[in-house]
Amino acid sequence: DAKTTQPNSMESNEEEPVHLPCNHSTISGTDYIHWYRQLPSQGPEYVIHGLTSNVNNRMASLAIAEDRKSSTLILHRATLRDAAVYYCILRGGGSGNTGKLIFGQGTTLQVKP
Amino acid sequence: DAGVIQSPRHEVTEMGQEVTLRCKPISGHNSLFWYRQTMMRGLELLIYFNNNVPIDDSGMPEDRFSAKMPNASFSTLKIQPSEPRDSAVYFCASCWGRSGANVLTFGAGSRLTVL
Repeated sequence: DAKTTQPNSMESNEEEPVHLPCNHSTISGTDYIHWYRQLPSQGPEYVIHGLTSNVNNRMASLAIAEDRKSSTLILHRATLRDAAVYYCILRGGGSGNTGKLIFGQGTTLQVKP
Repeated sequence: DAGVIQSPRHEVTEMGQEVTLRCKPISGHNSLFWYRQTMMRGLELLIYFNNNVPIDDSGMPEDRFSAKMPNASFSTLKIQPSEPRDSAVYFCASCWGRSGANVLTFGAGSRLTVL
C-alpha cells in the first residue's frame, strides 16, 4: 500500500484558513487521495477525496499537485469544531485492488479561539 | 438512513471471557470493514468483506479473533478468549464497492475494556 506523510500536529486560529499538507510520492496512477477526520471520542468521518483535479465540497477543498505526489486539505475558515485528527489516505482504484483504507498517524489540528 | 450501527457501545469484561461485537452496515453497501484503535497503534484494519466474503483478513491479530458476515446487513467480530491487551475501540465501516472512488462511513465504535 502506498504511504502518506503528514505533520504530526498543526495549530490554527479560529476563523482563519488552514492548509494541511500530505506527501504521497509513491502514489500510483489509480490511487485516489482521501481525507478523513476524527473528532474526539468519535469515529472517523469522510471529508473529501479526489484523483487528479482539485475538489471542493461544503466541508473543505482539496488541492492536488500536478504530479500527484502531494496534496493539501484546505479548511477555509477554521472553527473550534474543526479540531480533530486529519488523515490523508490513498485508496487504490485499479482493477483487482482490494480497496483497503489504511490509516497512518494523521495530523492533529488544534484551533485556538 | 441511520448510518452504520454498532453494538454494544461499551463493554467491560474479564479476561478469558468471550466478546462479540456487532455491526449493521448502511443498507445497500456491500463492503464492510472492521478496525481497531488504540493509543499505541492508532487505527488498524482488521478485516475487510466484500459481498459478505472476507477479502483480506491479514490484520486479524491472532486466532482468538474471528469475524463473520452471514448476510449483507450484519457482521460480528468475536474475541475468544479475551485478554487485557484487546482493550480498544473497535470501529465498523461500510461502503459501496471496492473502487478507490468510494468513501467509507464509520460507526460510532464499540469501546472494549478487558480487565
